[in-house]
Amino acid sequence: AQTVTQSQPEMSVQEAETVTLSCTYDTSESDYYLFWYKQPPSRQMILVIRQEAYKQQNATENRFSVNFQKAAKSFSLKISDSQLGDAAMYFCAYRSAGASSGSRTAGGTSYGKLTFGQGTILTVHP
Amino acid sequence: DTAVSQTPKYLVTQMGNDKSIKCEQNLGHDTMYWYKQDSKKFLKIMFSYNNKELIINETVPNRFSPKSPDKAHLNLHINSLELGDSAVYFCASSHGQPQHFGDGTRLSIL
Repeated sequence: AQTVTQSQPEMSVQEAETVTLSCTYDTSESDYYLFWYKQPPSRQMILVIRQEAYKQQNATENRFSVNFQKAAKSFSLKISDSQLGDAAMYFCAYRSAGASSGSRTAGGTSYGKLTFGQGTILTVHP
Repeated sequence: DTAVSQTPKYLVTQMGNDKSIKCEQNLGHDTMYWYKQDSKKFLKIMFSYNNKELIINETVPNRFSPKSPDKAHLNLHINSLELGDSAVYFCASSHGQPQHFGDGTRLSIL
C-alpha cells in the first residue's frame, strides 16, 4: 500500500518570503500522480498543483512550484513571494495512474483514490 | 454554478440516529468519492463509485451505505451513528485528473 508522509506539522513564513513544504511517499508503482491541496479555514479542498510521475520537468503554477525527485520519492512544494492568503493547511496526495480515471481494484491496488499525508499548517506573518 | 455540492454543510445529531448526506456534481464526471477527515485533519478514502458501480470500499463499517442513483449523485447514509463518526465528510468527483472536492459536511454527534 502507498503511504504519504509530511514530516512538518507546522511551518511559518514572513510575507513576501519563500517557504518549502516537504513530502515523501512510498510506492512500488512506476506510474502515478502527485498533488498538493490547500485547505484554508473555510475547509474547502483547493488543488494547488499536480505532477505526473512520468514527467521529469517540475510542475509550476504561478508562485507555486514543486521539486519532484522520483528516485528519492520526494515531492516538495515551494511557495514564492508568500501572501497572507496562502495561510492554510497543505496536504500532499498520491494517486495511482491505474487503468482508468476511476478505479478498480486489481492485485490489491486501489486505483483512483487519493492517499493523503498528515498535512502541514502554514502560517504567514505580515 | 457550483461544481460539487454537498448538503447539508452542518449536521448535528444524537448517537443512535440515522442520517444522510447528499452529493451532486455538474461536471459530467464518471467517478465520485467519499472521504472522511477526522479530528486530527487526516483525510482518508471511504468509497468510490464509477458510473454508479461501487469500486472502492476501504474497510468502512457496514453502518455506512453509499448510494449512487445516477453518475451525477453519490449519497452517504449512516445508520446508528456513533461518537466516532464525528468528522468532516468530503465528496469528490473526477474524470481523469484531478479530483474536485465539495465543501464538506461537518457531522457532530452528541
